[in-house]
Amino acid sequence: NAGVMQNPRHLVRRRGQEARLRCSPMKGHSHVYWYRQLPEEGLKFMVYLQKENIIDESGMPKERFSAEFPKEGPSILRIQQVVRGDSAAYFCASRSGQQETQYFGPGTRLLVL
Amino acid sequence: SQQGEEDPQALSIQEGENATMNCSYKTSINNLQWYRQNSGRGLVHLILIRSNEREKHSGRLRVTLDTSKKSSSLLITASRAADTASYFCATANSMKTSYDKVIFGPGTSLSVIP
Repeated sequence: NAGVMQNPRHLVRRRGQEARLRCSPMKGHSHVYWYRQLPEEGLKFMVYLQKENIIDESGMPKERFSAEFPKEGPSILRIQQVVRGDSAAYFCASRSGQQETQYFGPGTRLLVL
Repeated sequence: SQQGEEDPQALSIQEGENATMNCSYKTSINNLQWYRQNSGRGLVHLILIRSNEREKHSGRLRVTLDTSKKSSSLLITASRAADTASYFCATANSMKTSYDKVIFGPGTSLSVIP
């Protein structure tokens, strides 16, 4: 059973470009979380999604950031018009409906030049 | 406000010694989890302890939970160089949400010196 997959692992963007981060949850998991981690800091919650639904997006910046988890395919975290402050590691985690434990992907490290 | 906060921020010990990390939190919880993160990698789940439990063991790991003091500790016995990593506690509660919302602390950086 493959773990949580994230791609790309590293992403370099120039200011103003768009960044699309993908997360494929573990097989059978319908709950997906996105977190952001700045260097030497803990994880900050961004958004919690179930298939086709956003459950909690209280950690998402109001502008430029969006997330989706379609019926088919991976969850996508999209950052439009990136700025240098968006540089961070973005982690996705998934869990099944019956479990409390979240399983994390390896993360996508975004660098905005 | 910060839900879980680890103490100390950084810890350096000799291989073979025990390492103890503490986590304090502010509101009631449904469960508390400990995760490990190696440098540049994702988080690995170590152990989950529910609010009605006081102690759990997993291999060389021992976790305690004191809900009256709103604190938890993670003990790693007979540490190894491979235990070098950052350790995070994460608390889950449903006080303001319809689900168990998990909040991570800032972490403790553990260095085990061979």
